[in-house]
Amino acid sequence: EIVMTQSPATLSVSPGERATLSCRASQSVTSNLAWYQQKPGQAPRLLIYGASTRATGIPARFSGSGSGTEFTLTISSLQSEDFAVYYCQQYNNWPEFTFGPGTKVDIK
Amino acid sequence: QVQLVQSGAEVKKPGASVKVSCKVSGYILTELAMHWVRQAPGKGLEWMGGIHPEDGETIYAQKFQGRVSMTEDTSTDTAYMELTSLRSEDTAVYYCAVAYCGGNCQGAWFDPWGQGTLVTVSS
Repeated sequence: EIVMTQSPATLSVSPGERATLSCRASQSVTSNLAWYQQKPGQAPRLLIYGASTRATGIPARFSGSGSGTEFTLTISSLQSEDFAVYYCQQYNNWPEFTFGPGTKVDIK
Repeated sequence: QVQLVQSGAEVKKPGASVKVSCKVSGYILTELAMHWVRQAPGKGLEWMGGIHPEDGETIYAQKFQGRVSMTEDTSTDTAYMELTSLRSEDTAVYYCAVAYCGGNCQGAWFDPWGQGTLVTVSS
């Protein structure tokens, strides 16, 4: 099984600042990596797929990069609505899909 | 635009079964590949299984094989997930989500998601 890790577990950021979240895979997943945002009491929302393609309706301040085993989600200027938990998910091999443990972005 | 509306919360005793529904609107269920993901309280996301977007085969995560069944009622555009032999560790929010895959479909990402159904297993 491909194990996903995310760092840091919690990231404290001030509104307007840049946030950089990391995701690592235990083996290469090429570019088969997605990012989701989840707010308390809500379902996850797709932000990024294919490691760097923004989903429909996702603001340009969200960007994804990386390939192989190292990936990054960057939020260029945090807005109040961006404080949430972010998960990465690899989808490199049917039927094995695994998620990272999440990074909580909270207000500094 | 696809919208997914799930059935309400359930409380079950250990050993019982639960069947969660996911009603599709804005699209035809047969044109979608529905998957299920669960989230234990305060924990991360765990993929349970779903339909392959290209060949239509239903696949289950090994962890749930033999205990889970995912079906569809195309007349009502409703997907179902049934989990049997429930134990306390199955207490979680269960989500349905539509799977999409890229060019060679090595795997799939999920968008959108239903609102979730809390299943509580307690004696």
